[in-house]
Amino acid sequence: KAGVTQTPRYLIKTRGQQVTLSCSPISGHRSVSWYQQTPGQGLQFLFEYFSETQRNKGNFPGRFSGRQFSNSRSEMNVSTLELGDSALYLCASSFGQENTEAFFGQGTRLTVV
Amino acid sequence: QQQVKQSPQSLIVQKGGISIINCAYENTAFDYFPWYQQFPGKGPALLIAIRPDVSEKKEGRFTISFNKSAKQFSLHIMDSQPGDSATYFCAASMHGSGYALNFGKGTSLLVTP
Repeated sequence: KAGVTQTPRYLIKTRGQQVTLSCSPISGHRSVSWYQQTPGQGLQFLFEYFSETQRNKGNFPGRFSGRQFSNSRSEMNVSTLELGDSALYLCASSFGQENTEAFFGQGTRLTVV
Repeated sequence: QQQVKQSPQSLIVQKGGISIINCAYENTAFDYFPWYQQFPGKGPALLIAIRPDVSEKKEGRFTISFNKSAKQFSLHIMDSQPGDSATYFCAASMHGSGYALNFGKGTSLLVTP
């Protein structure tokens, strides 16, 4: 059974640009959530999508957005990149029933220069 | 504001010893408490999880102890092995929040031979 696939694995962008990250969940999973991981702040929840609808959102500025497609694949977009957006962005998938196991991908390492 | 506080930040244990990591939370609405293990270059993987109606849960060498009145929970790793060397995160979530996990800042565990 294939795991959660995140692409690309590494990305270097210039301040002010925008970026789109992709997450393909485990087959059959309908929930995809996104997290930002940094050494200073740790793992922070960005948002969660279930059946193409955003079900919950963390405390991040509007520059961070996402969407989910009918096949449950999800994309996350960050506009007007700032140096502080450099982080490991992790996606997790699950069946969608709350408080059950969420499986994480390996993440996309974003570096903003 | 960090909703889950984790200690210690780092831990060194000899092979065969017991590793203990502690977490505390404030929000009494939290009703799901998972622990994740993360190796360098990988996404977090669920180790074990507990709900507040249980005071202890054991899976192999890993045990969660939960103290609802003190709003604390801890991870015990018995017979620690060098392969357990990783970063461990505690987390908490509440029903109605989707998959919005609130993570502790992590504990870097090193098990020496």
